[in-house]
Amino acid sequence: DSGVTQTPKHLITATGQRVTLRCSPRSGDLSVYWYQQSLDQGLQFLIQYYNGEERAKGNILERFSAQQFPDLHSELNLSSLELGDSALYFCASSVSGGTGNYGYTFGSGTRLTVV
Amino acid sequence: KNQVEQSPQSLIILEGKNCTLQCNYTVSPFSNLRWYKQDTGRGPVSLTIMTFSENTKSNGRYTATLDADTKQSSLHITASQLSDSASYICVVSLLRGADGLTFGKGTHLIIQP
Repeated sequence: DSGVTQTPKHLITATGQRVTLRCSPRSGDLSVYWYQQSLDQGLQFLIQYYNGEERAKGNILERFSAQQFPDLHSELNLSSLELGDSALYFCASSVSGGTGNYGYTFGSGTRLTVV
Repeated sequence: KNQVEQSPQSLIILEGKNCTLQCNYTVSPFSNLRWYKQDTGRGPVSLTIMTFSENTKSNGRYTATLDADTKQSSLHITASQLSDSASYICVVSLLRGADGLTFGKGTHLIIQP
């Protein structure tokens, strides 16, 4: 157990629907990062939150949004889902806000299937 | 454009044999390079992290090397075990920036008994 908890583990939904993925960071970590991993693709950075504030934004579609709550858990909202959104979505957490630090831990991911 | 290229894309070896995975990167300015192991359907787990000043780092049967001049890294696995079957991902970190991790697509390693 990495200490980063993601729910649900699996999600199947229809095109056009909206889903919410949840991530609880490791105890003491202030940053949460969201990544998308499509079949045969590397992990693509979506967005980062640090202590409740958006810190960095990557290749995140306008149909996707995220937030980090006061208890530091984060939610990734995916709307108007398309078949191409089917992927593994990973959350990672770290103590600080930069990527130069070593304490970077991934959760087990949520597998989203859009049918 | 910052890129990380890994080779081979996939590899099959017999249990007990050694293997070496390669990573070439163009990321600049460079902060550190990490190797992760990702079991199927699971999140990546860190194996080694090296800064530009480190040439080699070991973690049990895993040994990573780094040549910052040629921007190449390798991950050597000794005496492979069935549990080593996984994807191995090379990740390079920019010197600055919260979004500065560039991921390779990984090498899919299969260990056969």
